[in-house]
Amino acid sequence: AQSVTQLGSHVSVSEGALVLLRCNYSSSVPPYLFWYVQYPNQGLQLLLKYTSAATLVKGINGFEAEFKKSETSFHLTKPSAHMSDAAEYFCAVSDLNQGGSEKLVFGKGTKLTVNP
Amino acid sequence: SAVISQKPSRDICQRGTSLTIQCQVDSQVTMMFWYRQQPGQSLTLIATANQGSEATYESGFVIDKFPISRPNLTFSTLTVSNMSPEDSSIYLCSCPGKTGNEQYFGPGTRLTVT
Repeated sequence: AQSVTQLGSHVSVSEGALVLLRCNYSSSVPPYLFWYVQYPNQGLQLLLKYTSAATLVKGINGFEAEFKKSETSFHLTKPSAHMSDAAEYFCAVSDLNQGGSEKLVFGKGTKLTVNP
Repeated sequence: SAVISQKPSRDICQRGTSLTIQCQVDSQVTMMFWYRQQPGQSLTLIATANQGSEATYESGFVIDKFPISRPNLTFSTLTVSNMSPEDSSIYLCSCPGKTGNEQYFGPGTRLTVT
């Protein structure tokens, strides 16, 4: 079964600083990988996805992530944090459910705090 | 991307009762998914619901506790039966996107069991 590990349950940055949220996956073959964001009291919004087309993936709100097969990583970055980026971020990998169709397996999440 | 709505958005229920959560998608989709997000935790897939067939449950989840209906290609319900405080969670439904393996999520139903 696939799994993802998010290092750091809480990350705090200053406004304007670099955002780096870490995600490592366990897979012997390149999987589909995703980053989702969850704002307080809301559902999940897709930030970006990796589907083997390009290793550097650009998403919404200025976020991007780089797929590194040698490191089995898919870290999320943003050059300059904004107060509105404060949220919880989830890394996810595609896997197969009990019936053999696709499902998502989520990491434990990283809560991002942006300080003024 | 699909637009998904859920009802109710939140509820407080007494133990031993049942709650049915509705999920509506603005387009026809073959599969719908139900997830649970326990307080401070990540999302865990409960089951996959295909229209016209029985839902497929993940390990640790059973139909008697979480019966699911899928009457058409835009709608599904999840019932949380005989609730206990341990069922207090956010329940989210989702559906696949058209361009890949991504999923789009509803806003969630926040359930508190007292």
